[in-house]
Amino acid sequence: DQQVKQNSPSLRVQEGRISILNCDYTNSMFDYFLWYKKYPAEGPTFLISISSIKDKNEDGRFTVFLNKSAKHLSLHIVPSQPGDSAVYFCAASGSSGSARQLTFGSGTQLTVLP
Amino acid sequence: ETGVTQTPRHLVMGMTNKKSLKCEQHLGHNAMYWYKQSAKKPLELMFVYSLEERVENNSVPSRFSPECPNSSHLFLHLHTLQPEDSALYLCASSQASGQGGEQFFGPGTRLTVL
Repeated sequence: DQQVKQNSPSLRVQEGRISILNCDYTNSMFDYFLWYKKYPAEGPTFLISISSIKDKNEDGRFTVFLNKSAKHLSLHIVPSQPGDSAVYFCAASGSSGSARQLTFGSGTQLTVLP
Repeated sequence: ETGVTQTPRHLVMGMTNKKSLKCEQHLGHNAMYWYKQSAKKPLELMFVYSLEERVENNSVPSRFSPECPNSSHLFLHLHTLQPEDSALYLCASSQASGQGGEQFFGPGTRLTVL
């Protein structure tokens, strides 16, 4: 059973508009959430994260919102640019032993149309 | 070299071959990870090494054998693989005591088993 779910496999947005990517999780022990971006033929690149003690974190055009009661987080990109077209992975982390481990969603392919 | 590097980038092997994937991190981290990414599926954590000791083995078949000789290098030895093992294999590193578990990924090795 997937503990981190991204229910939208793809999203198409016009350049300049807002992109909203969603993620749901089931494990209440997760205490840190991350978003990664992946281009073809490259490894995932860290984008932004949020601790479970916060409900919002902003970095430039990227904002992550966390709703703990709903076990839901979202990534907002505004304004969207064609270079943002990539696969976006949501990941969750909980302390486990001597190294934190990440549980990933299946990804959402974002396409920003010029 | 900077970040996390992986060699080779592409590998084609027969089911009776033995090969090894190599990962090197130049970030001063002390935890390293192997992931498998199959099409349309979440990244699957295979192995975790923290301070050069294996701390996680997620029910990975014995035809995959990891090795971590020091905190900067990680290998994945492959033998008698099956066609369903064809996937993108990603290496990542992090600080084991890092607050949020942010991991830095290499570009991956695209493996094809014939």
